[in-house]
Amino acid sequence: AQTVTQSQPEMSVQEAETVTLSCTYDTSESDYYLFWYKQPPSRQMILVIRQEAYKQQNATENRFSVNFQKAAKSFSLKISDSQLGDAAMYFCAYRRVNTGTASKLTFGTGTRLQVTL
Amino acid sequence: DSGVTQTPKHLITATGQRVTLRCSPRSGDLSVYWYQQSLDQGLQFLIQYYNGEERAKGNILERFSAQQFPDLHSELNLSSLELGDSALYFCASSTSGQGYNEQFFGPGTRLTVL
Repeated sequence: AQTVTQSQPEMSVQEAETVTLSCTYDTSESDYYLFWYKQPPSRQMILVIRQEAYKQQNATENRFSVNFQKAAKSFSLKISDSQLGDAAMYFCAYRRVNTGTASKLTFGTGTRLQVTL
Repeated sequence: DSGVTQTPKHLITATGQRVTLRCSPRSGDLSVYWYQQSLDQGLQFLIQYYNGEERAKGNILERFSAQQFPDLHSELNLSSLELGDSALYFCASSTSGQGYNEQFFGPGTRLTVL
């Protein structure tokens, strides 16, 4: 079974600074998707960024980028120029490249990010 | 707004009761997923339906059941409720289950069992 581990329950960053959230996963699959979701106080789940395992290039979305290390099964999220609106719970998630039409997400336990002035 | 709607937003009920949570997927989405977010279990997958048929099952209790109707909306039925069932229940939808299909999450239904 696939597992996702986020070892940092809480992180704090100053506004305009850079922070990196860690995620490791375990799978025997060679192809899969990895995601970072943001859950602000509103509780809405918002997709931040995704990475396909077959792509060596790290994904980037504006101030958000990932460091995908497939051999190490590591998938960290870097937030640059942190803003107050980045304060939220961040979840790392894994999904198989499904066969058929089944495609559940497996989530880590989350990292709560605080952004301070 | 993801386009996925869930009703009700909040639900407060007593132990032993039965409730039904409803989800309407985005227009055109055939797959519906249910997830439970609780303090002790985190975010976990419960069940997936694709075009009316069950496609995958996670750690869903026998007291829980779900279905997807011909108009593609889905309902999650929770019965014999226990205090530990208090959680935020998310529905998500995607166009299909194949390939990369982003799952769009609804706002969730917060269930409180007293």
